[in-house]
Amino acid sequence: GAVVSQHPSRVICKSGTSVKIECRSLDFQATTMFWYRQFPKQSLMLMATSNEGSKATYEQGVEKDKFLINHASLTLSTLTVTSAHPEDSSFYICSASSGGAGDNEQFFGPGTRLTVL
Amino acid sequence: SQQGEEDPQALSIQEGENATMNCSYKTSINNLQWYRQNSGRGLVHLILIRSNEREKHSGRLRVTLDTSKKSSSLLITASRAADTASYFCAYSNSGYALNFGKGTSLLVTP
Repeated sequence: GAVVSQHPSRVICKSGTSVKIECRSLDFQATTMFWYRQFPKQSLMLMATSNEGSKATYEQGVEKDKFLINHASLTLSTLTVTSAHPEDSSFYICSASSGGAGDNEQFFGPGTRLTVL
Repeated sequence: SQQGEEDPQALSIQEGENATMNCSYKTSINNLQWYRQNSGRGLVHLILIRSNEREKHSGRLRVTLDTSKKSSSLLITASRAADTASYFCAYSNSGYALNFGKGTSLLVTP
């Protein structure tokens, strides 16, 4: 159980285009989803936290107009990288939590590698 | 930054040896978790230790937590080539957002 999928797994796009990445919890309802970015040989950096039906909370330094997050249902969150540029090339990973009291275990998707030419 | 520190950054051992990775953090925590990441892949949850626990075992994994020193260690016993991966600690001090350590890159050679 607790499977999270991401689509696409890999995307290459031209500079200036927008790219949408989907994150789905397949067998549980995710009240909270998280988006992380990971540069080569570095750790994961939290970009934003999204709760179903409300606006995402962005970390300091992350442009909300650049990285649009939608969490329209309990099983789906999307991250849209608008007007992508080469510096946005990175590995984007989502995670999902079913919430509730106690431990905050997150289940991670397999990641999406974005390359902007 | 609330990012944790891990050491060593890289560790190379032979199969059968034990691997120890350390993680230090800066804030109070609810729990601390360890994840594994194979190159270019997503994260696999290994183990979670709560702030009121001092040690936890799962198969060949042993995790310790010292909240007074704000540190944790992950021990992998009898390592295998398949254990080659990056290992991250992650913790939260409020809510559900996780702060990740910088990671330890483990190489296990046959």
